[in-house]
Amino acid sequence: GAGVSQTPSNKVTEKGKYVELRCDPISGHTALYWYRQSLGQGPEFLIYFQGTGAADDSGLPNDRFFAVRPEGSVSTLKIQRTERGDSAVYLCASSLTGYAEAFFGQGTRLTVV
Amino acid sequence: GIQVEQSPPDLILQEGANSTLRCNFSDSVNNLQWFHQNPWGQLINLFYIPSGTKQNGRLSATTVATERYSLLYISSSQTTDSGVYFCAVGGSNYQLIWGAGTKLIIKP
Repeated sequence: GAGVSQTPSNKVTEKGKYVELRCDPISGHTALYWYRQSLGQGPEFLIYFQGTGAADDSGLPNDRFFAVRPEGSVSTLKIQRTERGDSAVYLCASSLTGYAEAFFGQGTRLTVV
Repeated sequence: GIQVEQSPPDLILQEGANSTLRCNFSDSVNNLQWFHQNPWGQLINLFYIPSGTKQNGRLSATTVATERYSLLYISSSQTTDSGVYFCAVGGSNYQLIWGAGTKLIIKP
C-alpha cells in the first residue's frame, strides 16, 4: 500500500480481555517496528522484526505482550489479560532496512476500561 | 543507552515567525529523524538526517554528528505548523530513541 496501515483505529476493551492489533507495512519494507505512546510522551520501543523473525523484543513490557509477523509482511500485536495501564496509542512503523527512514501508521488507540 | 534531549519543551510564536528546535544526543548514532506529530496524532516524517544538512520548503535541518546535536529550522511559521516536533535517534541496535518533544503553537 501507499503507507503503513493500522487497524482498528480505536479499540475499547474490558480489563482482562484479549486484543489483537494489526499492522500492514509499506510493500517491500523488510523492517517492522511496534512502539507505544502514552499521553504527553514520546513513543516507546516495543519490538523490531527483520523479515519474519523478531530481531529485538526487549521493549515488550511483560509476557502478556506478543507479536508475530508470519509471512514477513503483516504483523499482529497481541495483548493478553489486558490491564488499565495498557491504555495507550500503539504505533507501527516500517522501513526498507533496519537503519533506514521509518514511516509510521496512524496508530491504534487502545482503551482498557 | 542513548539519551535524547530536546529544547525548548514549549514554544509559542506568532504566524510568520522563525524558530529553531534543538536535539542533543549522548552517543554516536546511525539514524536520526525529525517528525511532526499533528493534533490528530499522526507522525509525519520531516527529515531523515543522521548527518549533514537538508532543506524542504520552509523547513531545514542540520545534524552535526561529531558534536552530537541536530537543529530543525522552521521559517515563516504557519498555523498548520502547530503540533509536537520529535527527534528520534538510533544507535547500534535498530530501536529509535525519542526525545520528549517540542510543543509548538503558532498563533494567527
